[in-house]
Amino acid sequence: KQEVTQIPAALSVPEGENLVLNCSFTDSAIYNLQWFRQDPGKGLTSLLLIQSSQREQTSGRLNASLDKSSGRSTLYIAASQPGDSATYLCAVEDSGTYKYIFGTGTRLKVLA
Amino acid sequence: DGGITQSPKYLFRKEGQNVTLSCEQNLNHDAMYWYRQDPGQGLRLIYYSQIVNDFQKGDIAEGYSVSREKKESFPLTVTSAQKNPTAFYLCASQDSAYNEQFFGPGTRLTVL
Repeated sequence: KQEVTQIPAALSVPEGENLVLNCSFTDSAIYNLQWFRQDPGKGLTSLLLIQSSQREQTSGRLNASLDKSSGRSTLYIAASQPGDSATYLCAVEDSGTYKYIFGTGTRLKVLA
Repeated sequence: DGGITQSPKYLFRKEGQNVTLSCEQNLNHDAMYWYRQDPGQGLRLIYYSQIVNDFQKGDIAEGYSVSREKKESFPLTVTSAQKNPTAFYLCASQDSAYNEQFFGPGTRLTVL
């Protein structure tokens, strides 16, 4: 059974710092991996989607990488800003069921 | 403006009542999903529909029901059989090109 883990559960950094959020999954048979942002009391906003054949995707200050063989993905945020404060979730699309399995998220706080 | 709308934003239910949560999308996506989010847990799949007039149970379908009579609409009914319905409910749709998921703003259901 596919399981998705995100460590740490919470992270505080000073403004301007570059940071890395981690996502690991137990079964490398995935179709896609998607990173989301969630603000308190709101829905999820899609940030980046990496297909299984890709190694990374970039959007602005965000870069996500995928290493299927080791069951890992990272989300790199450059030059963090207070507006980046939110919970970041990763989800993998299981290639057997085509369902997305979600991690519990990393709650990020960027201090001004 | 393309997107997913959910209503109401907040919903209060008395014990023994059925309530229906609305989800509408104008993204022309075939697939739609209902998730439940509880504090400290990842999103859990309740029901999903790949096409009009067809839907499947997810991991926690007991006490819930759905219908999919129109492509744009996927309402979720929380029945009195659901023993612990207080949660944040998220609706999503998925594009068929990349299987990317897009989410609505959510409905917070509280049982009084």
